Amino acid sequence: QVQLVQSGAEVKKPGASVKVSCKASGYTFTNFHVHWVRQVPGQGPEWLGIINPISGGTTYAQRLQGRVTMTRDTSTTTFYMELSSLRFDDTAMYYCARRYCGGSSCHFDFWGQGTLVSVSS
Amino acid sequence: DIQMTQSPSSLSASVGDRVTITCRASQDISNDLAWLQQKPGKAPKSLIYAASNLLSGVPSKFSGRGSGTDFTLTISSLQPEDFATYYCQQYKSVPVTFGGGTQVEIK
Repeated sequence: QVQLVQSGAEVKKPGASVKVSCKASGYTFTNFHVHWVRQVPGQGPEWLGIINPISGGTTYAQRLQGRVTMTRDTSTTTFYMELSSLRFDDTAMYYCARRYCGGSSCHFDFWGQGTLVSVSS
Repeated sequence: DIQMTQSPSSLSASVGDRVTITCRASQDISNDLAWLQQKPGKAPKSLIYAASNLLSGVPSKFSGRGSGTDFTLTISSLQPEDFATYYCQQYKSVPVTFGGGTQVEIK
């Protein structure tokens, strides 16, 4: 069965960096792009970007350009999202989600369980 | 960016009720619209894609309609496990954007 298992909660100080992992299993890793999304408690989700598992090519949300880096390791079927220069308002739950393309639709199907990143001094 | 506007932001309903949630896109997104369900402390779960198609394992009490800019999600007979927050999401173009959510509460 398809699974996306994320790394555990992180507590970081302002200005530091955090790297969240998303281990994919139960499907052919290179067949599906992965999105990253974050959600502040009580608010709607915010899209962060997407990564192509074959080329490693990425598209990032403009407001995070320069601070976010998405990578993948095909040998371990793991995706990574690194956010640098952390600010208090980066405190959120971070999710990875698989993109499924069928017919003319490329939608999210499976989600990771989430990783809480807390930024605190 | 495409703005997604949901209404209502919250509603109270009883078990067995039929409920409908509306989502409007700020520009034509064809049918590139998904609905998500999120329960407290849990990750979102994708329910519907391409405006009206149920993902595998999603019960048929959920249905979606619409195209262009106006969309609806209907739950035909609300059950206790359906009390949650629902989000619409457009994936026509990046950035992918989400509605503000509709919290469905027990009356």
